Amino acid sequence: NAGVTQTPKFQVLKTGQSMTLQCAQDMNHEYMSWYRQDPGMGLRLIHYSVGAGITDQGEVPNGYNVSRSTTEDFPLRLLSAAPSQTSVYFCASSSFGATNEKLFFGSGTQLSVL
Amino acid sequence: EDQVTQSPEALRLQEGESSSLNCSYTVSGLRGLFWYRQDPGKGPEFLFTLYSAGEEKEKERLKATLTKKESFLHITAPKPEDSATYLCAVLVTGNQFYFGTGTSLTVIP
Repeated sequence: NAGVTQTPKFQVLKTGQSMTLQCAQDMNHEYMSWYRQDPGMGLRLIHYSVGAGITDQGEVPNGYNVSRSTTEDFPLRLLSAAPSQTSVYFCASSSFGATNEKLFFGSGTQLSVL
Repeated sequence: EDQVTQSPEALRLQEGESSSLNCSYTVSGLRGLFWYRQDPGKGPEFLFTLYSAGEEKEKERLKATLTKKESFLHITAPKPEDSATYLCAVLVTGNQFYFGTGTSLTVIP
């Protein structure tokens, strides 16, 4: 029962570096999403996808790119890291059915940008 | 603008001392309201989904209720292992979830 798997768990970047946070789910969920969690701000939606080939922006998309080439994978790319992107990142997936829309979360990636 | 507000920000209870957490929301096109539990260093874990005013769900010492403008998470006779941050979220039309900032609960033995 892997569920939602995120890698890496921790990452330190220098300003201007790029990297990709990986997210994979094995539950055949159509919906996948990325959140960042900052103290006092709660979870904020960065990008989401309702199926392979379909992505859309959430509340805080600037500085992040996503793509969805398969149902299982939804990587988040930081193009040029900035200190403001220091945060904990969570990937989450859901099966959008009549009464089964709850999110399943990964264990998170703690990112520090120096 | 869709908004979710949780109160209080933090709550300290003695073991066995019952209380309630509040989640008020202002959204258009509510599809569902969700409660999650988050332990330090971990991802949120699903507790309940509520879809319509008047609905109630229970699990062990927790009971969630929903009205047209708010939801309550009632904790009856809490134990130290109930200590965690409790998050409320709403799902709106457009397939977006909006989260509140959470209530940090500490239960003292």
